[in-house]
Amino acid sequence: DSGVTQTPKHLITATGQRVTLRCSPRSGDLSVYWYQQSLDQGLQFLIHYYNGEERAKGNILERFSAQQFPDLHSELNLSSLELGDSALYFCASSGGGDNHYGTFYEQYFGPGTRLTVT
Amino acid sequence: ILNVEQSPQSLHVQEGDSTNFTCSFPSSNFYALHWYRWETAKSPEALFVMTLNGDEKKKGRISATLNTKEGYSYLYIKGSQPEDSATYLCAFMVLRNSGGSNYKLTFGKGTLLTVNP
Repeated sequence: DSGVTQTPKHLITATGQRVTLRCSPRSGDLSVYWYQQSLDQGLQFLIHYYNGEERAKGNILERFSAQQFPDLHSELNLSSLELGDSALYFCASSGGGDNHYGTFYEQYFGPGTRLTVT
Repeated sequence: ILNVEQSPQSLHVQEGDSTNFTCSFPSSNFYALHWYRWETAKSPEALFVMTLNGDEKKKGRISATLNTKEGYSYLYIKGSQPEDSATYLCAFMVLRNSGGSNYKLTFGKGTLLTVNP
């Protein structure tokens, strides 16, 4: 158990809908990262938040957005869902409070949320 | 597009063998390299974060080296055990200042290691 929790574990929804995935980082970790794993793309970095502020953005679609709240939990919002958005979404957290915003620290992955769009 | 190449794609070894695999990446604007171990049906598990040229890190029977000038990192496993069977992923971070992001992170496709008892 990494200490990172993600809810829900599984989500099935229809095209065009909107969903919210939730992540609680390890106690004390300021950084939260979101990743997407799909069969054809492998593991893709989506976005990184450090202490409530966006630090880096990867291959995140404009239909997707994220935020990190004052209690450090994070939510990933996926809207206008398409079949191709079906994937396993991981959240990870890391510690570190230096000027590298946690990127030089090991990331601890949650169990993931399996999203199926039908 | 950043190309992060891992080789070999897959590897079968016998219990007790030592093995190594490679992660290759562009050598410019290096920021950090992460190694992960990913077992089937589980989440990736961090092994090492490497940030300086010449870094060598070790965790039990697993070690890694980093050469940022030539753009590669090696992961070594000494005396492989069946429980080492997993996909080993590297993730390369490069500094960038465009588009409001300060770095880009790209994963390799991984090396699938199978250790036969």
